[in-house]
Amino acid sequence: SAVISQKPSRDICQRGTSLTIQCQVDSQVTMMFWYRQQPGQSLTLIATANQGSEATYESGFVIDKFPISRPNLTFSTLTVSNMSPEDSSIYLCSVAHWENTEAFFGQGTRLTVV
Amino acid sequence: SQQGEEDPQALSIQEGENATMNCSYKTSINNLQWYRQNSGRGLVHLILIRSNEREKHSGRLRVTLDTSKKSSSLLITASRAADTASYFCATANNRDDKIIFGKGTRLHILP
Repeated sequence: SAVISQKPSRDICQRGTSLTIQCQVDSQVTMMFWYRQQPGQSLTLIATANQGSEATYESGFVIDKFPISRPNLTFSTLTVSNMSPEDSSIYLCSVAHWENTEAFFGQGTRLTVV
Repeated sequence: SQQGEEDPQALSIQEGENATMNCSYKTSINNLQWYRQNSGRGLVHLILIRSNEREKHSGRLRVTLDTSKKSSSLLITASRAADTASYFCATANNRDDKIIFGKGTRLHILP
């Protein structure tokens, strides 16, 4: 298993500002992912965080809006830039030790943009 | 993008009954996983079934996989109030290592 610490757990932000969410894992993991979950909806993959290189973004998500860092095998950040109310959502960090294995999730960051 | 479609979208059953949720997907997969999410919390991994497996059990959970029909089912036997949650299937394909989630089933166990 893996224990994931995601910070902050929630925040209320002004539109036009940016928020950086941190994901810390208690062990080295191969795979790290960032998801968004809007109220009452399923999880949508934003990007795969690659260690030491640029993240791989899914269709509809761009680096300028959601810059991601992954400096090592246990830590990643997701920034939500120039926020608007439409960015209000839960953002979840997920990790997997190896390819094609189960994923573990943090408790998420509940973001409200006003 | 979302891969799986679960049905039903919502399910209410009496405590003690069995709950069955289905998942269909579109592309070839390496494995299929089921997760549970209690309201407002993170996801908990329940079970993983590989593409070469047809059935798997874990406690009160039984998962089947039919790769010819691109579908899976999750059966929870003897349901309990604590089983009330949203259940998601998720797939990992052969091309990349992404885990893509379906839309989920909201399960409500009535006392």
